[in-house]
Amino acid sequence: NAGVMQNPRHLVRRRGQEARLRCSPMKGHSHVYWYRQLPEEGLKFMVYLQKENIIDESGMPKERFSAEFPKEGPSILRIQQVVRGDSAAYFCASSPETARSPLHFGNGTRLTVT
Amino acid sequence: AQSVAQPEDQVNVAEGNPLTVKCTYSVSGNPYLFWYVQYPNRGLQFLLKYITGDNLVKGSYGFEAEFNKSQTSFHLKKPSALVSDSALYFCAVRETGSGGYQKVTFGTGTKLQVIP
Repeated sequence: NAGVMQNPRHLVRRRGQEARLRCSPMKGHSHVYWYRQLPEEGLKFMVYLQKENIIDESGMPKERFSAEFPKEGPSILRIQQVVRGDSAAYFCASSPETARSPLHFGNGTRLTVT
Repeated sequence: AQSVAQPEDQVNVAEGNPLTVKCTYSVSGNPYLFWYVQYPNRGLQFLLKYITGDNLVKGSYGFEAEFNKSQTSFHLKKPSALVSDSALYFCAVRETGSGGYQKVTFGTGTKLQVIP
């Protein structure tokens, strides 16, 4: 059973471009969480999704950021018109329905904005 | 509202000595508690969890954690530290809210440095 797959691992964008980060959850997992992490720092919650629904986007900036988890295909975190401050590691995690299960994390996408 | 506190940004321990990484929590109902480890340039890896039952839970790589309901703590322990245990450790709490909402809260992380 493959783990959580994130791609690309590294993404370089110039200021003003768009960044698309993809996350394929583990098979059978219907919950997806996105987190942002700066070097040597903790995880900052961004958004929590279930299939076709955004459950909690309280951690995501209102402008330029959006997320989706369609019925078919990976979850996408989209950052429009990137700025240098968006440079960070973005992690996706998935889990099955129950709160008794741990989250399973991908290895992240490291976004660098030049 | 649920919360998790890891009071130490960094813990230093000599190789072979016992280690403890502290975590306290606050939840409205019964807590589901987790520990994760993060190595450089990797995602978080699950170490162990407390759901119910014995207060001492055992996990991967020789780690264990003690659930203490009266002190609302879930400290991570290992009897003998290895240099390879040096990493960032996160405590987390998860509970089910209304409508099946699975809220997850992470602590700020503790950097463990094991000195040879």
